[in-house]
Amino acid sequence: NAGVTQTPKFRILKIGQSMTLQCTQDMNHNYMYWYRQDPGMGLKLIYYSVGAGITDKGEVPNGYNVSRSTTEDFPLRLELAAPSQTSVYFCASSLTENTEAFFGQGTRLTVV
Amino acid sequence: GQNIDQPTEMTATEGAIVQINCTYQTSGFNGLFWYQQHAGEAPTFLSYNVLDGLEEKGRFSSFLSRSKGYSYLLLKELQMKDSASYLCAVRDSNYQLIWGAGTKLIIKP
Repeated sequence: NAGVTQTPKFRILKIGQSMTLQCTQDMNHNYMYWYRQDPGMGLKLIYYSVGAGITDKGEVPNGYNVSRSTTEDFPLRLELAAPSQTSVYFCASSLTENTEAFFGQGTRLTVV
Repeated sequence: GQNIDQPTEMTATEGAIVQINCTYQTSGFNGLFWYQQHAGEAPTFLSYNVLDGLEEKGRFSSFLSRSKGYSYLLLKELQMKDSASYLCAVRDSNYQLIWGAGTKLIIKP
């Protein structure tokens, strides 16, 4: 009964480093999303996927990349980390575009 | 541009009723969601409205008026565990979810 599993929970990166945030879901959901949440702001969509092999940019995709090789996994790659990428990142999934989204526990990323 | 407005913070008393409002201006409308988010945790789904009217689910109800671009979340018989942020999100004509910044609800004994 895992739902959406996101790792790591916390990470500190130095400017210019890269990392991958992992996300996996066991609900056989077609739709998966990556959001960032900054203090006092609404969730911002980074990338989303409507199924394996299909990804699309969201509102704030610059500096990030994704892949969706399987239904279960949707990793988010940060290349050349910048302080502006300090944020809390949430992965989510939903069965369809009109059904509720289930969220992972979040990754708190600090870039110094 | 697209915009979701919610009050930043509200305070209510344990056992009372509170109404959290959400107004939206989006390019099209394909449904409105309410989520609850406790501090340091992930958002969890509360309700979904796509037609006008009131949806009731236990102590929580959500109302939608599409003509006014307006929704509210009504919480009854408030409990201390209801202290959280409440997020309003609207799905636009491209089926993208546009999120409000959230309303932090503080419950006092």
